[in-house]
Amino acid sequence: SYVVTQAPSVSVAPGKTARITCGGDNIGSRSVHWSQQKPGQAPVLLIYYDTARPSGISERFSGSNSGNTATLIINTVEAGDEADYYCQVWDSRTGHVFGGGTRLTVL
Amino acid sequence: QVQLLQSGAEVKKPGSSVKVSCRPSGGTFNTYVINWVRQAPGQGFEWVGGSIPIAPQKFQGRVRITTDASTNTAFMELTSLTSEDTAMYYCVTDTRAKVRGRGGFDTWGQGTMVIVS
Repeated sequence: SYVVTQAPSVSVAPGKTARITCGGDNIGSRSVHWSQQKPGQAPVLLIYYDTARPSGISERFSGSNSGNTATLIINTVEAGDEADYYCQVWDSRTGHVFGGGTRLTVL
Repeated sequence: QVQLLQSGAEVKKPGSSVKVSCRPSGGTFNTYVINWVRQAPGQGFEWVGGSIPIAPQKFQGRVRITTDASTNTAFMELTSLTSEDTAMYYCVTDTRAKVRGRGGFDTWGQGTMVIVS
């Protein structure tokens, strides 16, 4: 079965850039979606199909995907970005696969 | 924009079954493909299954996903419950997907807490 891996936590100072990665075998050949979940809330889709951003999502959020790593990039990090971030991919044999999630801490 | 409305919290005994419902407001299930995802307390997400011709091996034989067109309602039934099934269960859909049912989940129900105890 296909597996994707995320670091459990990332810390970044306000105003800096956060990079949250999602690793998987040749993940660059797949489409990766990213969601944000704040405590007590359902997730919100931030990035879909590697780089597309739903309307209403800040331009500070962007994505890239190449080789064995997909990356969610958060520019000019704000205190309100503190949350859990999940990557999601589709595998034709396994179905929907989620990363374990990365908790972003704003210092 | 579609919203997904789920049934209320459930408390179940080990060995029993639970059936969670999900109804879209602002659309019908002819328009959307519903998947189900769960999140155990303090944990990440796990795909439980969906109205697509593939199911997670972990739940095969234990999960049944159905749709009632007359009431425009989708159901997820999970049998032989254990304490490890205690989780928030979400119905989700992917309105931006290139292939319905296989995209990023952009619409989530409010969640249904299932406690097995």
